[in-house]
Parts: sequence; structure tokens; C-alpha cells
Amino acid sequence: DAGVTQSPTHLIKTRGQHVTLRCSPISGHKSVSWYQQVLGQGPQFIFQYYEKEERGRGNFPDRFSARQFPNYSSELNVNALLLGDSALYLCASSLAGLAGGPGSGTQYFGPGTRLTVL
Amino acid sequence: QQQVKQSPQSLIVQKGGISIINCAYENTAFDYFPWYQQFPGKGPALLIAIRPDVSEKKEGRFTISFNKSAKQFSLHIMDSQPGDSATYFCGGMFSGGYNKLIFGAGTRLAVHP
Repeated sequence: DAGVTQSPTHLIKTRGQHVTLRCSPISGHKSVSWYQQVLGQGPQFIFQYYEKEERGRGNFPDRFSARQFPNYSSELNVNALLLGDSALYLCASSLAGLAGGPGSGTQYFGPGTRLTVL
Repeated sequence: QQQVKQSPQSLIVQKGGISIINCAYENTAFDYFPWYQQFPGKGPALLIAIRPDVSEKKEGRFTISFNKSAKQFSLHIMDSQPGDSATYFCGGMFSGGYNKLIFGAGTRLAVHP
């Protein structure tokens, strides 16, 4: 069974540019969450989407946006890139939107997209 | 009240020894506590998780000990192997809300042969 897939693997952009990152969840999973992991730190929650709706948002500026498609895949968009946006962007899929019941909220992470902003 | 504090920042253990990583949480609404293992250049992989209605959970060489009154939990890796060398993250989440997982800062474990 395929796990969570993300594309691209690596990306180099310059300040002010826009970037789109893509994620495909595990088959049967309907929820996708996005995290930012700066080097040497733990992942920070950005968004959660379930059934194509935003269900939760972390403390990130409006330059960050996302959407989920009918096949449950998701895109993360970042506008007006800053140097500080350089990080590993992780996508996690889970069975359900609300983490209710054993295992339903368990999150499985993809390999990430390494974004470097110059 | 959202923080999860993890210690130590780094840990060196000899092969065959016990690795112990500790975490403390503030939000008493958290009711799901996973541990993730991350190798360089990879995404975090779920290792083991616990809910606060049990005090201990064991899976192979990995054990979580949970102290609800102290709001602390720890990961014990028995018979540590060089292949266990990785960064470990603890986390906390509230099951009644959306899947916002709060991570600790991570512990870099090195197991020497």
C-alpha cells in the first residue's frame, strides 16, 4: 500500500515568489494536515482539511493557504516567499477529520518537500 | 497551554543500553500522545502512541510510561541499537478537536556500537 506522497521533493525559490506543494493521502484517508518543520525544530501545525473544508489553522500568516480536492489530495500555497519560509513542509493524512475514537486521528506523515528560499 | 516540552535535546547511549526521553505537557485537554521517529531527510514515522487512561504501553523494545497527575510521559528504548539513531519527537493532541498535533522540540539520539 502506498503511503503519503508529496511533490516535489526539493524546491528552490527566490524571495517574493509563490510556491505550490502537493500531497496525496493514504488511500481511504479523508483528512490532510500540513506542517512546517524548520531545521532543528519539531513540526508546526499549519492547516487541517477534511472533506475539502478547512477545519483548523495554526498561527501562520495569510500568505499560507491550502485546499483539498474531491479525491482528498491537497495543495499548500505560499505567496510572497520570505527567507524564513525555508523549511521542510510535511503533509500528514488521517482517517477522520475529528480525532475521535482510537486510531481515527492518528497521523501518518509523508517524506516532505524541502523548500529553500534564496 | 499548548506547549509540549521535551528533554534531553540530545542523547548518547551505548549499544544495548536503555534510551530514555521525557516530555511534559500543559494542556490537560490532550488525550492522545504519540511518539515519532525521524531519520535525516525523511518525514516523521509513528512509533508508538498512548492515551491517558493507561499508565504504560509496550511495543517490542519501545515503551511509553504515562503519569497523568504529573502531566509527563516518557519513551524508553530497551536494548538500543545503532539503527535507532534518529531524532525522536513526542506530541500531544486533543481528540475532540481537529487533528492539531503539538510536537516537542525533538531529541537527537545517537547509539554508539
